[in-house]
Amino acid sequence: KQEVTQIPAALSVPEGENLVLNCSFTDSAIYNLQWFRQDPGKGLTSLLLIQSSQREQTSGRLNASLDKSSGRSTLYIAASQPGDSATYLCASYSGAGSYQLTFGKGTKLSVIP
Amino acid sequence: GAVVSQHPSRVICKSGTSVKIECRSLDFQATTMFWYRQFPKQSLMLMATSNEGSKATYEQGVEKDKFLINHASLTLSTLTVTSAHPEDSSFYICSARTGAVNTEAFFGQGTRLTVV
Repeated sequence: KQEVTQIPAALSVPEGENLVLNCSFTDSAIYNLQWFRQDPGKGLTSLLLIQSSQREQTSGRLNASLDKSSGRSTLYIAASQPGDSATYLCASYSGAGSYQLTFGKGTKLSVIP
Repeated sequence: GAVVSQHPSRVICKSGTSVKIECRSLDFQATTMFWYRQFPKQSLMLMATSNEGSKATYEQGVEKDKFLINHASLTLSTLTVTSAHPEDSSFYICSARTGAVNTEAFFGQGTRLTVV
């Protein structure tokens, strides 16, 4: 059974810093790896989706990498802003047809002005 | 990306009553829909998978008679929490995908259920 772990559980950084969020998964036979943002009491906002044939994806200040062999993914946020404060979740797609999404518990990010 | 609309966003109900949550794919046909539950400071846990026109497949530990799922069309799935109790209070999120293998899952905005 796939298990997804996110470290750290919480992170506080001053505005302007670059930061890295980590995600690891136990079963490397995944299809996609997706990063989401969740604001308090809200649903999920998709940030980046990395397909199994890709090693990274970029969108603005965000860059996500995927290393299937080591079972790791990272989300890099450049020049952090207070508006980046949220919980960041990663999820792996696995199983037949890649229909099984397994989520980590998330990293709660606080960017201090 | 595709849009999944979930309604209501927030509901408060009395213990013992039933609550229905709707999940609609607005601009694509969702052959498969998923229902998740999220407790505070916890991750999303899959409750059930539903395919249009067939019975839902429930995850271990999820009571199918308590959480009724109907996926009657390619754009609509409903989750009914029957005889709700305070311990059912949680955040429920639906997800929808097309039938193609390895396609992206799109998520609704979530429903905050509070049972008093």
